[in-house]
Amino acid sequence: DAGITQSPRYKITETGRQVTLMCHQTWSHSYMFWYRQDLGHGLRLIYYSAAADITDKGEVPDGYVVSRSKTENFPLTLESATRSQTSVYFCASSERDLYTEAFFGQGTRLTVV
Amino acid sequence: KQEVTQIPAALSVPEGENLVLNCSFTDSAIYNLQWFRQDPGKGLTSLLLIQSSQREQTSGRLNASLDKSSGRSTLYIAASQPGDSATYLCAVRPLPDYKLSFGAGTTVTVRA
Repeated sequence: DAGITQSPRYKITETGRQVTLMCHQTWSHSYMFWYRQDLGHGLRLIYYSAAADITDKGEVPDGYVVSRSKTENFPLTLESATRSQTSVYFCASSERDLYTEAFFGQGTRLTVV
Repeated sequence: KQEVTQIPAALSVPEGENLVLNCSFTDSAIYNLQWFRQDPGKGLTSLLLIQSSQREQTSGRLNASLDKSSGRSTLYIAASQPGDSATYLCAVRPLPDYKLSFGAGTTVTVRA
C-alpha cells in the first residue's frame, strides 16, 4: 500500500523494557519525523531526519533513539520504557521540497505499565 | 522559537452554521502553514496547505486564509455538518527549518 504506515498500532509494554516503533513510507520522501501526542501538550517533536543517516533531536528526545539506514524506514526505539512515555506516537514524512505537504501515519498507541 | 496558538480550544455549533477556526504564530518567517483534521483515535489528515506567498486556499467547503505579516491563519468551514466534528490542527513550517510546529488544536462539535 502506498503511503506511510506505522506498526504496531497498539502496544503494551512493561517499565524497563526496550520497544521499537516502526515507520515505513513508500514515497521516498527525504524528511521523516516522530511526534508524540499527549493531552495538555499537543504534538511534540521527538526526532527528525533529513535523509538516510542524518537525524537530529527535537523537543523531547530523552529516552528515545532513532536510526535511518534506509530512506523509507525510520524506527523509534525506547531504550528502557517509562510510564511517562505512555503516549500516542505519530510518524510523518515530507518531500525534500519544503513547500510541499507533510503526511502522517495512523499512530501507535503505547502504554507502559 | 516558533509558537503556534489555536483559540478556542473547543467549539460547539448547530448543523448548518459556518465554522471559523483561528491559528496564530509568532514568527512570520515561514515556508507554509498546513491545516489538519484529526478524528478520535486516528491520525492526522491534511486538509489544506497555504504557501507563505499565498493569501488563501480553497478546497470544497473549506477555505483557509493566511496573513503572514500579522501571524494569523483562519480556517472557514461552510455549512457545517455533524461529520465535520473532529479536532483541527494547524502547523507552520518555519524558515529555515524543515520541521513543523503545531498548535494544540480546536475540537469542533457540530450538533445535529
